[in-house]
Amino acid sequence: GENVGLHLPTLSVQEGDNSIINCAYSNSASDYFIWYKQESGKGPQFIIDIRSNMDKRQGQRVTVLLNKTVKHLSLQIAATQPGDSAVYFCALAQGAQKLVFGQGTRLTINP
Amino acid sequence: GAGVSQSPSNKVTEKGKDVELRCDPISGHTALYWYRQSLGQGLEFLIYFQGNSAPDKSGLPSDRFSAERTGGSVSTLTIQRTQQEDSAVYLCASTPGLVGSPLHFGNGTRLTVT
Repeated sequence: GENVGLHLPTLSVQEGDNSIINCAYSNSASDYFIWYKQESGKGPQFIIDIRSNMDKRQGQRVTVLLNKTVKHLSLQIAATQPGDSAVYFCALAQGAQKLVFGQGTRLTINP
Repeated sequence: GAGVSQSPSNKVTEKGKDVELRCDPISGHTALYWYRQSLGQGLEFLIYFQGNSAPDKSGLPSDRFSAERTGGSVSTLTIQRTQQEDSAVYLCASTPGLVGSPLHFGNGTRLTVT
């Protein structure tokens, strides 16, 4: 089966700093990758996605980087705010319609 | 517009009882997914529907778990003879059905089996 893992289970950053959350995967056939944010008591919320024909995609304060050579995905959050505190999951498409999720990284923003 | 709605939001049941969890997807979304999330863990795929059919049931943990979808809309996940290890948050998501479109999640049903 697919193995989607994260380098760190927790990450603490100072408010205003940039944060980087990493994700490694093993299925080289995956062609679609997503980052989700999950706040306590809520379902995962879509942040940004990227397809395998791209290596970088930017949104509002977020950037996703995809390195297919080393099978690595990262989420960069610029100028972190208290509202960014949450658990962040990477997910990748396995087959046509199924998403496989990583275990998550808890991001804590320190004032 | 309305998002994915799940009910109940919390369910406490005794071991051995059956439970039904309901999901109302976003209107017009043809694909519907069920995931399970244990405390502090990632999301475990259970089953997905395209329309009323379930092409992939590979994640259902045992034959005590079943799901159906009617009218291409509402889905029900049923767990029979619940066990304590079934305690988790059950998340439903829907998507327009296009390959490579993100899933939109509900807030889940927190199931506690005592």
